[in-house]
Amino acid sequence: DAGVTQSPTHLIKTRGQHVTLRCSPISGHKSVSWYQQVLGQGPQFIFQYYEKEERGRGNFPDRFSARQFPNYSSELNVNALLLGDSALYLCASSLGFRTDTQYFGPGTRLTVL
Amino acid sequence: DQQVKQNSPSLSVQEGRISILNCDYTNSMFDYFLWYKKYPAEGPTFLISISSIKDKNEDGRFTVFLNKSAKHLSLHIVPSQPGDSAVYFCAASAHSNSGYALNFGKGTSLLVTP
Repeated sequence: DAGVTQSPTHLIKTRGQHVTLRCSPISGHKSVSWYQQVLGQGPQFIFQYYEKEERGRGNFPDRFSARQFPNYSSELNVNALLLGDSALYLCASSLGFRTDTQYFGPGTRLTVL
Repeated sequence: DQQVKQNSPSLSVQEGRISILNCDYTNSMFDYFLWYKKYPAEGPTFLISISSIKDKNEDGRFTVFLNKSAKHLSLHIVPSQPGDSAVYFCAASAHSNSGYALNFGKGTSLLVTP
């Protein structure tokens, strides 16, 4: 079975631009969460979506938004990119809302110049 | 505010010996704990988890121990193999206004030498 997939793998943007990252969960999983990992740190929680509704939000500015589609795939959008947004963006899926075990995708490496 | 702490940035162990990775947490509401392994340029891979109602969980070479009174957990790998060389993250979750977010430590880089 396919695991969590993310696209694109790498992305280079300039300050002020907008970016959209995509995630497809494991088949049958209804919850998707997004995390940001900067070098030397553990992943930081951004959003959790379950059944197309936002169920949790971490301490990130409103420039970050997300949505979940009827097929449970998800998009993360970041507006007005800053240099500090350069990071590995990870998507994780889990069966239900109680995210006992989250399974991660390979991530999207975003570089902001 | 780092609620999950891994105080050892790195650990080196000989092949065949035991690797012990430690993790401390501050939030007494955490009720589920997980260990992930991460290779460079890959996403974290789930290894093993433990609920707060247990104090030990074992899966093959991996055992996680939870000491709730000390707010401490550890991952034991026996015997260690060179393929275990990776960064290990401890994570904890609890229901909050942020859903069931995983709170991660900064990771411990394990090197298993032949």
